[in-house]
Amino acid sequence: QKEVEQNSGPLSVPEGAIASLNCTYSDRGSQSFFWYRQYSGKSPELIMSIYSNGDKEDGRFTAQLNKASQYVSLLIRDSQPSDSATYLCAVSFQGAQKLVFGQGTRLTINP
Amino acid sequence: DTEVTQTPKHLVMGMTNKKSLKCEQHMGHRAMYWYKQKAKKPPELMFVYSYEKLSINESVPSRFSPECPNSSLLNLHLHALQPEDSALYLCASSQPGAASPLHFGNGTRLTVT
Repeated sequence: QKEVEQNSGPLSVPEGAIASLNCTYSDRGSQSFFWYRQYSGKSPELIMSIYSNGDKEDGRFTAQLNKASQYVSLLIRDSQPSDSATYLCAVSFQGAQKLVFGQGTRLTINP
Repeated sequence: DTEVTQTPKHLVMGMTNKKSLKCEQHMGHRAMYWYKQKAKKPPELMFVYSYEKLSINESVPSRFSPECPNSSLLNLHLHALQPEDSALYLCASSQPGAASPLHFGNGTRLTVT
């Protein structure tokens, strides 16, 4: 059973602070990792993709991947109230053309 | 603006009705997906089409019937649904292959009465 684990939260962060979201996965052979943001009642929106160990930065977002620890994270710098949403970690398992999603972490940014 | 368009946005149907959900993508992708999402749960894969052929069926009940008429279109035919099938139905597309991220449409909110 391929599994992706996230802390469901809720995670509360003050405005302007760094929000840190974490995800672990079960299959050591996984190659592709994605973070999606989903506002209530809306569809998931791709924020970041990461394929290699290390950090990948895009604006206020940084994805971090550690394949040895089977761990992927998302940092949001200078958090804004508009970042309040559910963040879904998704992993593409080796040999399968499908994404497995974690349960999602509900993030609230407090003004 | 999403390049994956789903219609209708909302659908209410009775348990004896037949209806269809439609999805169209203009991204040149050759893989298309149907996901089902219940409240406060992650999306759950139903079907994958790759190069217009069904490649994954996640043991979905036969009251859901997918169809991929061409590389841009994906339909989900619904018949004799149950109230527990009420959910947000999401269409997505990508290039084939595990490395390609999915791009989702806005979804169809389905209510079965």
